[in-house]
Amino acid sequence: NAGVTQTPKFQVLKTGQSMTLQCAQDMNHNSMYWYRQDPGMGLRLIYYSASEGTTDKGEVPNGYNVSRLNKREFSLRLESAAPSQTSVYFCASSPLGHYEQYFGPGTRLTVT
Amino acid sequence: TQLLEQSPQFLSIQEGENLTVYCNSSSVFSSLQWYRQEPGEGPVLLVTVVTGGEVKKLKRLTFQFGDARKDSSLHITAAQTGDTGLYLCAGRNAGGTSYGKLTFGQGTILTVHP
Repeated sequence: NAGVTQTPKFQVLKTGQSMTLQCAQDMNHNSMYWYRQDPGMGLRLIYYSASEGTTDKGEVPNGYNVSRLNKREFSLRLESAAPSQTSVYFCASSPLGHYEQYFGPGTRLTVT
Repeated sequence: TQLLEQSPQFLSIQEGENLTVYCNSSSVFSSLQWYRQEPGEGPVLLVTVVTGGEVKKLKRLTFQFGDARKDSSLHITAAQTGDTGLYLCAGRNAGGTSYGKLTFGQGTILTVHP
């Protein structure tokens, strides 16, 4: 039981490049989330998926897109990376109706 | 947008000391969670408090949810070096749906020196 896994762990992009961050969970959770973490700003929600087949914008969705591929997988895409998107990205999941969220180990992204 | 103000932002203490971290808002939350995060890892849930006035203890850690469900505190007794890390509070919006969208505080970086 791996919990929430994220790939890659580290990534460096040039401005304008695109990439997809992958996330998978093996806990049969319904809801999944993407956050970014910047110093002094806690975790900010980018997008979330309440259940398979649905996605909604969070607090900071601009510059990102998501795909809930199936119940296990939720990917985050940067179409044209910008230096402002340099951050640590966390994927999380939670069971339907439960309070707690389970986080992956994060992806550290640098955009130059 | 509901906001959670966490204080202090940084805390540096000696082993054996006590400390308290605060999480405050002008908004009501249906529940509040505390997470701990170590460098290079994702946050890990410590506790969830649901009822106004609720107090939960986890070994040397005591968590309290305010009576009005707008604030919370984390108190650590006799801190140890292993307590070092980033502590985050997160509130579940009152009236929120079952998918558990959370609002996070900015975090408190705790360093416990031997």
